[in-house]
Amino acid sequence: GENVEQHPSTLSVQEGDSAVIKCTYSDSASNYFPWYKQELGKRPQLIIDIRSNVGEKKDQRIAVTLNKTAKHFSLHITETQPEDSAVYFCAASRGDSSYKLIFGSGTRLLVRP
Amino acid sequence: NAGVTQTPKFQVLKTGQSMTLQCAQDMNHNSMYWYRQDPGMGLRLIYYSASEGTTDKGEVPNGYNVSRLNKREFSLRLESAAPSQTSVYFCASSELGTVYEQYFGPGTRLTVT
Repeated sequence: GENVEQHPSTLSVQEGDSAVIKCTYSDSASNYFPWYKQELGKRPQLIIDIRSNVGEKKDQRIAVTLNKTAKHFSLHITETQPEDSAVYFCAASRGDSSYKLIFGSGTRLLVRP
Repeated sequence: NAGVTQTPKFQVLKTGQSMTLQCAQDMNHNSMYWYRQDPGMGLRLIYYSASEGTTDKGEVPNGYNVSRLNKREFSLRLESAAPSQTSVYFCASSELGTVYEQYFGPGTRLTVT
């Protein structure tokens, strides 16, 4: 079936460094790619998303890039801060339904002060 | 606005018992979703309701039923709970379709013994 692979599963960086999380998807018809942040014991919250007609999108310290040919997309966080520590999930829409998102397995990011 | 609310927050069931998880949203969204979250597996879609009056299966529907009671409310029922259904359950809502941001509820932590 369709799936989304996410790497790495854990990532530890020094405060101020950059963090990159990568996802690959299998459904060539996917056209929407959101990223969610989930703090411990809390609900997932959207931090940024990108649609298939765009190659890159930025929002302050966060950026997402999309390579449709290679079927992968990445989250970039610059100047990391301790409050960036959380689990990050990527997702891709399913081409056969505009109501289904397939989520990656998550990346636990730890920003060391 | 409360956003998306879920009840209960925690529940312990014995194998074979039944229960209903409740979800409500006050954002006038058309689409609602039920996910389960298991360690290391991200979020998996159980059922969704594209709009009031419709429901459809997601990735992992076996053992569950849903009811879209009205535009605001979407419930998830476990008819005969099994230990494999131990998980954290999240309800979400969005405008029509997944290409809009999904807003998540606070989750229900369910343990089946």
